[in-house]
Amino acid sequence: AQSVTQPDIHITVSEGASLELRCNYSYGATPYLFWYVQSPGQGLQLLLKYFSGDTLVQGIKGFEAEFKRSQSSFNLRKPSVHWSDAAEYFCAVAMEYGNKLVFGAGTILRVKS
Amino acid sequence: KAGVTQTPRYLIKTRGQQVTLSCSPISGHRSVSWYQQTPGQGLQFLFEYFSETQRNKGNFPGRFSGRQFSNSRSEMNVSTLELGDSALYLCASSLASGGDTQYFGPGTRLTVL
Repeated sequence: AQSVTQPDIHITVSEGASLELRCNYSYGATPYLFWYVQSPGQGLQLLLKYFSGDTLVQGIKGFEAEFKRSQSSFNLRKPSVHWSDAAEYFCAVAMEYGNKLVFGAGTILRVKS
Repeated sequence: KAGVTQTPRYLIKTRGQQVTLSCSPISGHRSVSWYQQTPGQGLQFLFEYFSETQRNKGNFPGRFSGRQFSNSRSEMNVSTLELGDSALYLCASSLASGGDTQYFGPGTRLTVL
């Protein structure tokens, strides 16, 4: 069965500093990978996705993620964090068939000024 | 284009009652998926509907059911509510079924007393 691990429950970074959120997945075939962000009391907003092709994908709000098959990882990065990036971030994997998303537990990002 | 809408946004029920939540997908989207989000279990897949047919089902008891109408709008129903059903219920829509990008609504916050 598929699974997603986000090892960091909480991360605190200073405004302007770089950010990397880790995500490891377990899936037998080529995964479809996603990063979503959730602000308190809100739904999930898609940041970026990987289906195939270039392993470095660009998303909204200056985020990017790199798919590394050998490490089963899909880490999210941002070169300079803004206070408005404080939220909870979820990594997810989908099967090739059907739309079932399996989510990681999430990483809460705090930004200090 | 309007996003995914969910009604109601907030709901308070008592144990033993039943509840129906509604989801209107993005125009043109034919797949609707439902997820439950709780602090303890995180985001869990409930079921997916595509063209009025259930395509996939998560590991939830039979008290959780859903349906999809010809206009792609979807409802989910929970019967005989339990305290543990208190959660944020998220609906997501996508154009097709098969690892397609899912766009989430704001959710319905259900509180069971």
